[in-house]
Amino acid sequence: GEDVEQSLFLSVREGDSSVINCTYTDSSSTYLYWYKQEPGAGLQLLTYIFSNMDMKQDQRLTVLLNKKDKHLSLRIADTQTGDSAIYFCAESNGDSSYKLIFGSGTRLLVRP
Amino acid sequence: DAMVIQNPRYQVTQFGKPVTLSCSQTLNHNVMYWYQQKSSQAPKLLFHYYDKDFNNEADTPDNFQSRRPNTSFCFLDIRSPGLGDAAMYLCATSRAAGNYEQYFGPGTRLTVT
Repeated sequence: GEDVEQSLFLSVREGDSSVINCTYTDSSSTYLYWYKQEPGAGLQLLTYIFSNMDMKQDQRLTVLLNKKDKHLSLRIADTQTGDSAIYFCAESNGDSSYKLIFGSGTRLLVRP
Repeated sequence: DAMVIQNPRYQVTQFGKPVTLSCSQTLNHNVMYWYQQKSSQAPKLLFHYYDKDFNNEADTPDNFQSRRPNTSFCFLDIRSPGLGDAAMYLCATSRAAGNYEQYFGPGTRLTVT
């Protein structure tokens, strides 16, 4: 079945870049998403990438997609303490685009 | 601002006592979703409505029901909450086209005593 995997934890120093990685198994994925969840809050969509793209940049965020390896990454430039949160990777596919399959989330800790 | 609102933010119920969580949206989206999220886990889709069409996930327990009386509102009913149903419940909405980008509410944290 479909599966999305992420590493559980990442710690970086304020001002450094963070790279959060995700792998997925569904080769028919249409869109891939990155969501941010702060403690006790809902999920906030950060960015998404269509499967026929290999890169998308949005201010401090850069998404890279390697479709051959089914690998997605989110790079946050100049990481700030406010970026500390859990980051979820998610995929949807053309047959059931409404349904998101989430990874287990990566907890990002930004040290001052 | 257009948004997804969930009430209450925190709900305490007793074991076996029915509880209803509510969600409303001002985005006029066709699709509304309910997710269950347990601590340190990914959100798990329970069901969704595409307009008035209800779509249940295969592994959603019968204890969980939903109602959507109109476009703006959707309710999650837990008929007989067990201790294992304590979780954060997230409502989300999306258009039924394009990238199906989902907008999430802040969630309701349910405690079962």
